[in-house]
Amino acid sequence: NAGVTQTPKFQVLKTGQSMTLQCAQDMNHEYMSWYRQDPGMGLRLIHYSVGAGITDQGEVPNGYNVSRSTTEDFPLRLLSAAPSQTSVYFCASSPGQVSSYEQYFGPGTRLTVT
Amino acid sequence: KQEVTQIPAALSVPEGENLVLNCSFTDSAIYNLQWFRQDPGKGLTSLLLIQSSQREQTSGRLNASLDKSSGRSTLYIAASQPGDSATYLCAVRVRAAGNKLTFGGGTRVLVKP
Repeated sequence: NAGVTQTPKFQVLKTGQSMTLQCAQDMNHEYMSWYRQDPGMGLRLIHYSVGAGITDQGEVPNGYNVSRSTTEDFPLRLLSAAPSQTSVYFCASSPGQVSSYEQYFGPGTRLTVT
Repeated sequence: KQEVTQIPAALSVPEGENLVLNCSFTDSAIYNLQWFRQDPGKGLTSLLLIQSSQREQTSGRLNASLDKSSGRSTLYIAASQPGDSATYLCAVRVRAAGNKLTFGGGTRVLVKP
């Protein structure tokens, strides 16, 4: 299993551009989520999904869209990039909402918005 | 609102010394607590997962304890090695808000040869 994969690893955007961060997992996990990591702020939940076709907002959803058309993929879209979205983005997955499961993280995407 | 705190923010020890990393949380209504390791510029590697009904979990040189009533967890790393140098994060999985993980700020560990 490749686990959780994310592309690209690095990205530089200009303010106002849009882009999609890709996340895929090959473990048939129901639960997937996106976090951003910022110095001094820790990791914060952006959006999450409990299964294909179901998504919901986390703590910091503004400026981001998600969709979940398949179990494997959970892309994160930046609609109009802003410098405040400069961050490291992590995708995570776990087998389900059941409490006992641990979460697995991808390697991250480092995004800079100029 | 659940808050997770890790103190100290940074720690430096000589090789061979045991490491003790602390994590505290404000709301005991958790599903589980997970410890992660993060190397600079890298992702998060899961180290240990403790369910809310458990008191401790062990893996090799790592041992994590959980005291839900007092809102504390401790990660012990025995006989530290330079390769243990990294940032260690704890996170609790909460019952509300989509079963999200709430993270502490991390403890940056340096093990000196």
